[in-house]
Amino acid sequence: KNEVEQSPQNLTAQEGEFITINCSYSVGISALHWLQQHPGGGIVSLFMLSSGKKKHGRLIATINIQEKHSSLHITASHPRDSAVYICAVPAYNTDKLIFGTGTRLQVFP
Amino acid sequence: KAGVTQTPRYLIKTRGQQVTLSCSPISGHRSVSWYQQTPGQGLQFLFEYFSETQRNKGNFPGRFSGRQFSNSRSEMNVSTLELGDSALYLCASGEPLHGGTQYFGPGTRLLVL
Repeated sequence: KNEVEQSPQNLTAQEGEFITINCSYSVGISALHWLQQHPGGGIVSLFMLSSGKKKHGRLIATINIQEKHSSLHITASHPRDSAVYICAVPAYNTDKLIFGTGTRLQVFP
Repeated sequence: KAGVTQTPRYLIKTRGQQVTLSCSPISGHRSVSWYQQTPGQGLQFLFEYFSETQRNKGNFPGRFSGRQFSNSRSEMNVSTLELGDSALYLCASGEPLHGGTQYFGPGTRLLVL
């Protein structure tokens, strides 16, 4: 069993739809990261959270430490949100990140 | 502050050759991590350097090595290249465990022919 699992693997949406991407992990963590990777490879760190909820623009990330689960929500999705979204957690007591397989999101106008 | 920079951005090599990739972290960051991304395996951790010392290492063969200089710049080297080494190599600076976000560079895309 992978230590970090994401669902769904692929997601298509119409512009304006509400998007949810889920991440479950099996290791104890101090924080969870959500990353965005656009075609071409560049990775942007969206959120790092260890409890509760964080919001940045149309993006909202939540985490439930007890259930070892995090969600990334995108409100009013837009074609420019099309990217791969990856969650990652540090391996125990290290800075080594363990990555989920990613969710490929395509938003159509 | 300037972001994480990586050079070169693209590289084509042939099997058996060796390659050196460079990463300059954000000013003030002492931790540099390297990752390999392939379509089949996704993102995988290679190693992490902190203050010129390798602090963590992933499950890669000894052909993959790295080092960090006193100015925190880091290099990774792959010797005796194999076709399967074709990948996007990303470095990141920052400390994701100790309350810090990791900042990724644009990556070096390596193609081994």
